[in-house]
Amino acid sequence: EAGVTQFPSHSVIEKGQTVTLRCDPISGHDNLYWYRRVMGKEIKFLLHFVKESKQDESGMPNNRFLAERTGGTYSTLKVQPAELEDSGVYFCASSQVYRDLGAYEQYFGPGTRLTVT
Amino acid sequence: KNQVEQSPQSLIILEGKNCTLQCNYTVSPFSNLRWYKQDTGRGPVSLTIMTFSENTKSNGRYTATLDADTKQSSLHITASQLSDSASYICVVRSLGGGADGLTFGKGTHLIIQP
Repeated sequence: EAGVTQFPSHSVIEKGQTVTLRCDPISGHDNLYWYRRVMGKEIKFLLHFVKESKQDESGMPNNRFLAERTGGTYSTLKVQPAELEDSGVYFCASSQVYRDLGAYEQYFGPGTRLTVT
Repeated sequence: KNQVEQSPQSLIILEGKNCTLQCNYTVSPFSNLRWYKQDTGRGPVSLTIMTFSENTKSNGRYTATLDADTKQSSLHITASQLSDSASYICVVRSLGGGADGLTFGKGTHLIIQP
């Protein structure tokens, strides 16, 4: 079974440019999450999709970030225009949700390392 | 504010030795605690998930403990191998919390030397 995949693995862009990150979840996983890790900090939640709907986007830093999940399959995260503080590693994760106290497994992708110069 | 603190920040041990990583949290109300292993250039991979009623859980050479009263957890690695070199991240989930209810620690960077 293929795991969560992310593309690209690395991206270096200049301030003001646009970048689009892609995440392909594990097939059949309705839940898709985006996280970000800024250097020296902990991983932080960005948003959560259930199929194609945004369940929770409270972690999105500002309106320069736009996430979509057309058809409830893969997801994209667009940053436009990129700022220096957007640099970090962007992780995607997917899961099936079980009933037992939310102890469901989340499977993470390898991340996209974004560097804004 | 929900927080997860891990110690030490980094650790170097010799192959074959044991080690214990610590996690203290202030997440409330508590749902479960997870330990993840993150190899360089890879995403975090789940090692264990522990709910309130569990105080020990093993996964091969990894043993996690949970003390819900003191809000502490540990991850013990037995007979370390070179492949154990990675970052180990403690993640605590709160019941009914927004943002998926997950609070991540910064991780402990473990290096196993031959």
